[in-house]
Amino acid sequence: DQQVKQNSPSLSVQEGRISILNCDYTNSMFDYFLWYKKYPAEGPTFLISISSIKDKNEDGRFTVFLNKSAKHLSLHIVPSQPGDSAVYFCAASLTGNTPLVFGKGTRLSVIA
Amino acid sequence: ETGVTQTPRHLVMGMTNKKSLKCEQHLGHNAMYWYKQSAKKPLELMFVYNFKEQTENNSVPSRFSPECPNSSHLFLHLHTLQPEDSALYLCASSHAGGHEQYFGPGTRLTVT
Repeated sequence: DQQVKQNSPSLSVQEGRISILNCDYTNSMFDYFLWYKKYPAEGPTFLISISSIKDKNEDGRFTVFLNKSAKHLSLHIVPSQPGDSAVYFCAASLTGNTPLVFGKGTRLSVIA
Repeated sequence: ETGVTQTPRHLVMGMTNKKSLKCEQHLGHNAMYWYKQSAKKPLELMFVYNFKEQTENNSVPSRFSPECPNSSHLFLHLHTLQPEDSALYLCASSHAGGHEQYFGPGTRLTVT
């Protein structure tokens, strides 16, 4: 049973607009969440993370929001750029050096 | 070189072959991971090593045999694989106790 779910396999957004990628999780013990970006023929690249003690973390055009009561997090990219077109993976982990649990990914296409 | 490197980038092997995948990290990390990514599935954790000791084996068949001679190098030895083992194999590293993992570009394996 999947503990981290990304229910939208794909998303298309126009350049300059906001991209919102969503992720849901089932394990309330997760305390750290990460977003990775993956281009074809490359490994995933760490993008941004958030601890469960926060509800928002911002880094440039990227903001991650965490809603613990809903077990939901989202990644906002604004403004979206064509170079943002990639597959985005949500991941979660428990306290300490525990393995990451990944979602299936959402393919974002930013259209010029 | 910097980051996490993997060789070979592509590998085609028959079911009776023996081959090895290599991963090297230049980030000073002391935890290393093998993941498998099959089409339309989340990244699946295979093995975890902390300070050269295997700390997790995620029910991986014995035809996959990991080796971690030191904190910078990780191998995955392959023997009598099945066609369903065809996938992208990703290596990652992190600080022990750290959440952020850094991935290599992966080895695209095809078993014929």
